[in-house]
Amino acid sequence: TQLLEQSPQFLSIQEGENLTVYCNSSSVFSSLQWYRQEPGEGPVLLVTVVTGGEVKKLKRLTFQFGDARKDSSLHITAAQTGDTGLYLCAGAPGNSGYSTLTFGKGTMLLVSP
Amino acid sequence: EAGVAQSPRYKIIEKRQSVAFWCNPISGHATLYWYQQILGQGPKLLIQFQNNGVVDDSQLPKDRFSAERLKGVDSTLKIQPAKLEDSAVYLCASSLSHYTGPTQYFGPGTRLLVL
Repeated sequence: TQLLEQSPQFLSIQEGENLTVYCNSSSVFSSLQWYRQEPGEGPVLLVTVVTGGEVKKLKRLTFQFGDARKDSSLHITAAQTGDTGLYLCAGAPGNSGYSTLTFGKGTMLLVSP
Repeated sequence: EAGVAQSPRYKIIEKRQSVAFWCNPISGHATLYWYQQILGQGPKLLIQFQNNGVVDDSQLPKDRFSAERLKGVDSTLKIQPAKLEDSAVYLCASSLSHYTGPTQYFGPGTRLLVL
């Protein structure tokens, strides 16, 4: 079973601060995804990273996939209250390219005004 | 394009009762997933269908949980009898195909409380 460890579990910050959350595993993934889940809703895909060392930017969010494709980070610049939510990373196993995902437990982010 | 539909949105039952959840995936999506998300945790895959065939049901508690996707479109997940620890959000997701990569689209979920 491939496990994804996310840290921190919970993060409470003020609007305007920067933050980084992490997703780590001892297993190699063919791709890794980041989702955001707001209360009462299902997860929404933010990004997919597939190449070791890849960096993707989505406005104020920067995603990085580790060189060995075992870990990833999400950095948010100048957080806003709208960034509040549960951030989940999910990995597709090995080199299969198949759609089955393993999810981490998530980082709950609370951004206060 | 309509998203993944789920019903009901909320359900409260007593232990030992039965309950069923319904999911209609995005039109044209061959793969359908049911996840269980317990408070404070990430989604755990219960069962994955490719059309009307099961791809993975290794984490489905088969003594009490069952799922079907008879015509390869919508799906039903049933719990019988329910236990207290089944209280969770049940998420349905769909994707184009199991063989074309990991992008999944989630429904809003059904929140189940077992008393």
